Order: sequence, then C-alpha cells, then structure tokens
Amino acid sequence: DAGVIQSPRHEVTEMGQEVTLRCKPISGHDYLFWYRQTMMRGLELLIYFNNNVPIDDSGMPEDRFSAKMPNASFSTLKIQPSEPRDSAVYFCASSLAAQDYGYTFGSGTRLTVV
Amino acid sequence: DQQVKQNSPSLSVQEGRISILNCDYTNSMFDYFLWYKKYPAEGPTFLISISSIKDKNEDGRFTVFLNKSAKHLSLHIVPSQPGDSAVYFCAATHFGNEKLTFGTGTRLTIIP
Repeated sequence: DAGVIQSPRHEVTEMGQEVTLRCKPISGHDYLFWYRQTMMRGLELLIYFNNNVPIDDSGMPEDRFSAKMPNASFSTLKIQPSEPRDSAVYFCASSLAAQDYGYTFGSGTRLTVV
Repeated sequence: DQQVKQNSPSLSVQEGRISILNCDYTNSMFDYFLWYKKYPAEGPTFLISISSIKDKNEDGRFTVFLNKSAKHLSLHIVPSQPGDSAVYFCAATHFGNEKLTFGTGTRLTIIP
C-alpha cells in the first residue's frame, strides 16, 4: 500500500480564493482524520469520518471550512474564501479501527495564503 | 484551551546521551497516551504508547513514563542518535474515544 496520499504537497493562493485539499486513505481503513499543524496550536483535529460519515466537526474553525468523504477512498477539505490566517500544514490520517491509535498520516499539504 | 502541553519547543542533546521530552495534560479523562515522531516534509509516525494502568513502557531505546497524579508523561531516548532529530508530538485520548488530542511538539536536535 502506498500509504495515505495527499495532494497537492504545496499550495500558494491569494486571499479570497477557494482552496481544495485532497486525501486518499489507506484501503480498508474505516477512519479518516483531518488535522492542521501550526506553531501555536500544534496538531489540531478539524474533523473526522467513520465509514465516510462525518462524526465530529467541532474542530472546524468556521463556516469557511468544509469537508466531504464521498467514498471510502477519497476525501476533500475545502476552504472558501481563504484567508492568510489559514496558512498552515494540513494533514490527513487514517486508521483501521476506533482503538487503533497508531494513525497513518499523509505527508501533508503546506498551504500559504497571501 | 490546550489540553496537552509540551512546554519545551526545542531541545538539544549530545549524541549518545539521554534525551528527555516532557508532556503535561489537563484532562483527567485521558487514560491512553502516545508519542509520535515527525521528520521535515513528512507526516507524523507513531512511536510508542502507554495505558494509564501502567507507569512505564519500553521499546528498545525508547521508554515512556507516566505519572498520573502529576498528569505528566515523559519520553526517554537512550542513547540518542542523530536519526532521532525530529519533532516529537505527545498525544492523549480516553480509550474508546475515536480521536487523539495532540500537543504542540518539541523539536529535538541531536548534536554529533
């Protein structure tokens, strides 16, 4: 398995533009997590899915953020409109089961909003 | 509200010596703890974990200690090697819960 695949690796966009981050989890993993890494807050959980269903989106900072998982092999995180304070590294992770805390993370998407 | 805190943003240790990374938590419901390691331009990878029924867990050069009364855990790396240079994240959960709460990370640099 190629692991968790995220795209793009880097994204530079102008304030106000829509940004879409993509994630392909490991096949067979039932859980998918979106995290954001910043210096001040470390790794923050934004949202997670179980069997493609959003379970907890309480970490989504505001309505500008949305996430979908249309099938077991694909998820998107969208920011519309983007703002400079959204600049961060966004990670997707997947895990096999609820108590499988050894998440497999993707390599992340570094987002810069100018 | 940072429920998992790593108060040292960085740490430098001589190769061959012991590295000690610290983590504090505030949520008394947490009963399962993990350490993740992250290299630049890569995602974090799981390193070692400990349940609250234990106060120590060892895996090769890595040992995690848990002090429940102090709500404190630490990761010991002995001996430290250059390949240990990375950012280390502490994480916690209530076992059965489906999500992890991570700290802010500590950047460990091993000096040759």
